[in-house]
Formats: sequence, structure tokens, C-alpha cells
Amino acid sequence: AQSVTQLDSHVSVSEGTPVLLRCNYSSSYSPSLFWYVQHPNKGLQLLLKYTSAATLVKGINGFEAEFKKSETSFHLTKPSAHMSDAAEYFCVVSGSSGYSTLTFGKGTMLLVSP
Amino acid sequence: EPEVTQTPSHQVTQMGQEVILRCVPISNHLYFYWYRQILGQKVEFLVSFYNNEISEKSEIFDDQFSVERPDGSNFTLKIRSTKLEDSAMYFCASSVSGVGYTFGSGTRLTVV
Repeated sequence: AQSVTQLDSHVSVSEGTPVLLRCNYSSSYSPSLFWYVQHPNKGLQLLLKYTSAATLVKGINGFEAEFKKSETSFHLTKPSAHMSDAAEYFCVVSGSSGYSTLTFGKGTMLLVSP
Repeated sequence: EPEVTQTPSHQVTQMGQEVILRCVPISNHLYFYWYRQILGQKVEFLVSFYNNEISEKSEIFDDQFSVERPDGSNFTLKIRSTKLEDSAMYFCASSVSGVGYTFGSGTRLTVV
């Protein structure tokens, strides 16, 4: 069985300051991990994915995440927030093959103020 | 960039009515999925479909639900007799190889 816990339901930052969205996972396998973003009235867009290669994964729009097996974490970071980053972010885990279904976290709403 | 297209974007239906949610996956994709998100809750897996049959389904996907790929392009989710608790955002997704999904923008279903 696999699960994902996103530790914050809401995160508020000021434009230009760093972003940290926290995610812990549980998996019986070597997991594949993903971050998806959902802007209002839009679909789920893949930000980045970890599939057992490099532990530091770079994604789109300046986001990156680090897989830490010892901490079972996959936190999402960005050095400098932009107003357009305001959205809901989902941490997602799938099984080792990646063919299995996705298990989503509850999501973290990122609010960016001027 | 190729997209997964879902129609309609919003659907309101009366309890007990049948509803069909439509999806057009990316043309060269082989794996198709439905997920749903009840307001305030997690996105949940419903069903996966490959080679013209269901490959996996969750316990949510009971006899009231069915999926179909009626032609070469559409992928539909049918709910036979809707209940209030079926109100949710339904996401279709497709994948070339089963790894790395592309999601549609969702259909918001409201059962009244």
C-alpha cells in the first residue's frame, strides 16, 4: 500500500521569497513520485517526477524537489515565488513500475502576495 | 502541445439520472484513466483501461460505473443512476506507456 501526506493545506509567501511545500510518502516499493499543479479551472499539470534516477529533480517553472529516502520525503521548492505560482499543488506517488495507479496527497494551496 | 480534452466542463444532473462524461485522450496514447475529486478531498483513482478492457479499478468503481472506448478517439465514463455523493470533479488522463500521465481539465459533476 502507498500513501502521501502533504503537511500543509495552505502556504502563504510573498513574491520573490522562497517556496517550500512539504510531502512525505509511504510505499512498500521503490516509489515513483510526482508533483502536479492545478491552476483554477485548469487540468492537472505535471511539474516534475522522480523515477529512481537522480535524487534532485528539476521541473518546470523553476521548481525542484529532492527525494530523501531516509526521511521518506519529497519536498517541493522554488528559490523565488512569482505571482503566477499561486495554485494548488499535489504530491503523488505510484508503484515501482510506474504502471500502477497514482495516489494523491490532499493538496497544498500556495498563496502568493505582492 | 497535445491535450486531453474533456466535455462538458460542468454538468448538472438530477439524482437517479444517467450521465456520460466524455474524454478525448491524446491520439497515440494507449492507457486511459478516470480519477475523481470530491470537493475538499483527495483526488482518487477510479479505473484504468488498456487494450479495450479495464486493467484496474478501485472499490469506488462499482456496478453503477462503466467505461467505454466507443470509437478510436473517445473514452467515456458512464454513471448509470447518479447519487448525491457522485458530485465531484472527474478527471480523465491518458498515457503512452503507463508512466507519465496527461490529465484533462476535468468535468465538474453536480448531482441535485
